[in-house]
Amino acid sequence: SQQGEEDPQALSIQEGENATMNCSYKTSINNLQWYRQNSGRGLVHLILIRSNEREKHSGRLRVTLDTSKKSSSLLITASRAADTASYFCLFSGSRLTFGEGTQLTVNP
Amino acid sequence: NAGVMQNPRHLVRRRGQEARLRCSPMKGHSHVYWYRQLPEEGLKFMVYLQKENIIDESGMPKERFSAEFPKEGPSILRIQQVVRGDSAAYFCASSPNQEATGELFFGEGSRLTVL
Repeated sequence: SQQGEEDPQALSIQEGENATMNCSYKTSINNLQWYRQNSGRGLVHLILIRSNEREKHSGRLRVTLDTSKKSSSLLITASRAADTASYFCLFSGSRLTFGEGTQLTVNP
Repeated sequence: NAGVMQNPRHLVRRRGQEARLRCSPMKGHSHVYWYRQLPEEGLKFMVYLQKENIIDESGMPKERFSAEFPKEGPSILRIQQVVRGDSAAYFCASSPNQEATGELFFGEGSRLTVL
């Protein structure tokens, strides 16, 4: 199966804490992206990291990629209640495939 | 520049009826992807189309499901003789070029309920 795996499936933290989500995949990839989905809505692109990159930052987001382990992590620093959403990784191998997602709840 | 437009946003069908979901990609985008999402689950790839061509339909059930992206007009995902298990949110995404940035732009989804 090309489906990626994400862990944890669910994460609950307090405002101000950091949230780390992980994504693993099985195939070789061109790039890996992270998306956010608010309940009942479409997905919003957060950040893309290419296979030759190891780390990327965007605001409070930090993404790492380890192609030898076929894994990526998304770190959200200083979390806010508004960060509550589901987060998905999308990796491009022979097709664009999503991970199973992490449901993040940030408690005020 | 309008985003990806999907309609209808909500669709209710009885078992055995047909469902047609439409997706208008962003202006200038010639690549369209359809994904299905069951409640509390991730997005499952269904089909990838370019204008007038189906590039990859390996995620789409062989029976009852079909997709098209004509030269003019929106992409259509068609589900014939719907069953209760087809109830899900169907998301469409577009991109200008799969290799350019890889970023997908998503519509708000069409939620199909089969009674």
